[in-house]
Order: sequence, then structure tokens, then C-alpha cells
Amino acid sequence: GEDVEQSLFLSVREGDSSVINCTYTDSSSTYLYWYKQEPGAGLQLLTYIFSNMDMKQDQRLTVLLNKKDKHLSLRIADTQTGDSAIYFCAEREDSSYKLIFGSGTRLLVRP
Amino acid sequence: DSGVTQTPKHLITATGQRVTLRCSPRSGDLSVYWYQQSLDQGLQFLIQYYNGEERAKGNILERFSAQQFPDLHSELNLSSLELGDSALYFCASSASGSYNEQFFGPGTRLTVL
Repeated sequence: GEDVEQSLFLSVREGDSSVINCTYTDSSSTYLYWYKQEPGAGLQLLTYIFSNMDMKQDQRLTVLLNKKDKHLSLRIADTQTGDSAIYFCAEREDSSYKLIFGSGTRLLVRP
Repeated sequence: DSGVTQTPKHLITATGQRVTLRCSPRSGDLSVYWYQQSLDQGLQFLIQYYNGEERAKGNILERFSAQQFPDLHSELNLSSLELGDSALYFCASSASGSYNEQFFGPGTRLTVL
């Protein structure tokens, strides 16, 4: 079945690193994504990773993929108060291209 | 700004009514996706259209329908509305091709009273 799971809440201090974790079930997913949603706003694509990659770095963002364990993580270096938001991981169902989202992790950055 | 526009931004209506949500995809994108975000169900895929044709269907109720027009804009029609239909409805678009990054619009917040 389809199920993407995330922890619900993460609190970090400004300047620290944040690590948001996600597990997914569809091992055939070609692409996995991280989206950010700020209060009252839509979904902003942060980054994606192709399933044959282990790691992808994009400025302060690092995505790690463990395909064997179906585990995806997003690391935000030097977390800022502006990073406070809900972060969703999503896997793409290859047969339909639809995105299957996790429940979202609310990141709170404390000054 | 993702380039995807949705109207209206907010919609308040009563149970039993019918509403239409509109989405204009990014210029050149052929695929349009509709998602529903609610507190109890999270973000759920509803339906996808590609160049005017329905391509995939998710957890979309029979009371809901959608279409994509020749100019590629899309409408989501919700009828016989119930309190539980109150949610944020997102539209996303993507170009054709294997990468298929989906860009999301700002959403329409529907409140059913």
C-alpha cells in the first residue's frame, strides 16, 4: 500500500542543523521530493532526489536516501527562523505521476 | 511565485451547494493535478489531467468532478457540499517528460458552513 510517514514535530535552535526524516513504502518510486509549506501559503518545492542517488546537496539542504530501508532525510544546515514551516516529503507513483505525501513535519526554529 | 494561479482564494458556502474552483497552469505545462489538504486526511491526490484527458484518479468523491479545457486551464467542481469538504484545494502543474516536477498554486480555501 501507499504510505509515507514523518514525525510530526521538530524544534531546533537558530543556527543548529535540522534533520527531518521520512519513510516511504513504494520501492519503485523514481523520484522523491521535499516540499515546504509556510502558514497560509501553498507548497514550495525545495528539492528532489532521483532514486539511484544516495545524496544530493543544494546550498543549505542535504537530502540522504537509503533505498534499502526506504528512508529519506532532509538536513537543513544553519537553520534560520525563516525556515520555520511544515515540511512534506513525497514519493511519486510512477504509473500515474501522482504524489503521495507524508503528514508533514512542523519545524519550529527558536531564536 | 510558482506560475500556477488559482481562483478564488477563499470560498465560503453552505452545505448542499455546488462550487467551481479554477486553476491556470504554468505556461506550457500540459499536466494539471488536484490535491485536497484537510486536517484529518492530510494532503491527498484527487485527479490528474494531461492535455485535456483524465490520466489518473485518486481519492476523489463521486460528488466531485474535474475537467481540463483546450487552453489547458482546469476546473474542479464540487457538488452537494458537506461540512467535511472544508479544506484547502491545491492545483499543481507539470511539463511533460520524465522529471515531472510539480509546481503548486497558492490553493483555494473552501469553507462549508
